[in-house]
Amino acid sequence: QVQLKESGPGLVKPSLTLSLTCTVSGFSLSSYGVIWVRQPPGKGLEWMGVIWGNGNTNYNSALKSRLSISRDTSKSQVFLKMNNLQTEDTAMYFCSTFDYWGQGVMVTVSS
Amino acid sequence: DVVLTQTPSTLSATIGQSVSISCRSSQSLLDSAGNTYLYWYLQRPGQSPQLLIYLVSNLGSGVPNRFSGSGSGTDFTLKISGVEAEDLGVYYCMQATHAPLTFGSGTKLEIK
Repeated sequence: QVQLKESGPGLVKPSLTLSLTCTVSGFSLSSYGVIWVRQPPGKGLEWMGVIWGNGNTNYNSALKSRLSISRDTSKSQVFLKMNNLQTEDTAMYFCSTFDYWGQGVMVTVSS
Repeated sequence: DVVLTQTPSTLSATIGQSVSISCRSSQSLLDSAGNTYLYWYLQRPGQSPQLLIYLVSNLGSGVPNRFSGSGSGTDFTLKISGVEAEDLGVYYCMQATHAPLTFGSGTKLEIK
């Protein structure tokens, strides 16, 4: 069955770069898009970006200058990198295929 | 960017009551191929979002048929016909017709 699992550091210092991995199973990344969504504590969902089945990407306008999404189809992994992290980037980060979601990974930005 | 406006922001319902949530888009979500990429999600407390409805009115896998979606163009509605206790949480609409994709601000459903 389709599964997604996010992984990455739970704590990142301000100004540094966040690197997250979404490992998927049950489908091919070449056939389906994967989106990244984040949710600050107590707030709503924020769409961050997508890598489509053809490898094209789109990004949230407000995050575009700091965000990069890539993938390794042979390893069934999607990567998120966001630089110059600030405290307001503290959030739960999810990856999803639109219908299936990972459990999320909590990232705290603090010195 | 497309702005999705959800109303109401909070909804209080009794068990068995029928409720509706509105999602209005700042521009039409109908694409040139005739598809409308409008989704509805429910996020229960402490859980990841789950898909309820895709392409405006199609029920997600395993989703009870008390949930239904309707609408076109810029106006969309999620209806719950007979609220159950497990339906509490926050409901979000999301559009994927126009890049960047965007979410509505959410509607919190409380059970009286």
